[in-house]
Amino acid sequence: AQSVTQLGSHVSVSEGALVLLRCNYSSSVPPYLFWYVQYPNQGLQLLLKYTSAATLVKGINGFEAEFKKSETSFHLTKPSAHMSDAAEYFCAPRRGLVFGQGTRLTINP
Amino acid sequence: DGGITQSPKYLFRKEGQNVTLSCEQNLNHDAMYWYRQDPGQGLRLIYYSQIVNDFQKGDIAEGYSVSREKKESFPLTVTSAQKNPTAFYLCASSNGRSTEAFFGQGTRLTVV
Repeated sequence: AQSVTQLGSHVSVSEGALVLLRCNYSSSVPPYLFWYVQYPNQGLQLLLKYTSAATLVKGINGFEAEFKKSETSFHLTKPSAHMSDAAEYFCAPRRGLVFGQGTRLTINP
Repeated sequence: DGGITQSPKYLFRKEGQNVTLSCEQNLNHDAMYWYRQDPGQGLRLIYYSQIVNDFQKGDIAEGYSVSREKKESFPLTVTSAQKNPTAFYLCASSNGRSTEAFFGQGTRLTVV
């Protein structure tokens, strides 16, 4: 069965710094992979998704993720953090059954 | 606007009472899901349904029940058998293998 592992339950960066949130997947077949964002007391919303069309996927709010089969990774990055990026981020391998444990991103002014 | 609606946003109940959380979608999605979210524990799957009149238990189904009589609706009942029902509950829907899940805004249930 497909599963994902998010490394780091809490990541803290300074405003303007690079954001890197890590997600590794386990699967023997090319997966569909998603990153979601959750703001406090709200539902999750899609940031971006990988569907094998391109290994570098661009999403909303300046985020992007690169699918690396050799590393079984799908890490989420943003070149310059904004205060508004503070939220919880979830990696997921398919359309609703399994989610990563989540990474809480804190932005320091 | 198409979307998924959970109601109410906040719900208070006394211990020992059953309570039903509403989830409605107008996205014409076949699959619907219920999750429970506790601080620091991510999303845990309670029940899911891939088609009308059929549903399967997730990882933490004990103390919960669901029905799927209509494609648009997937209500969740938190029964008195659920030992620790206070949590944030999220409903989602999806369609097809490669599409993402769409989430409601959640219901925060507090049992006192």
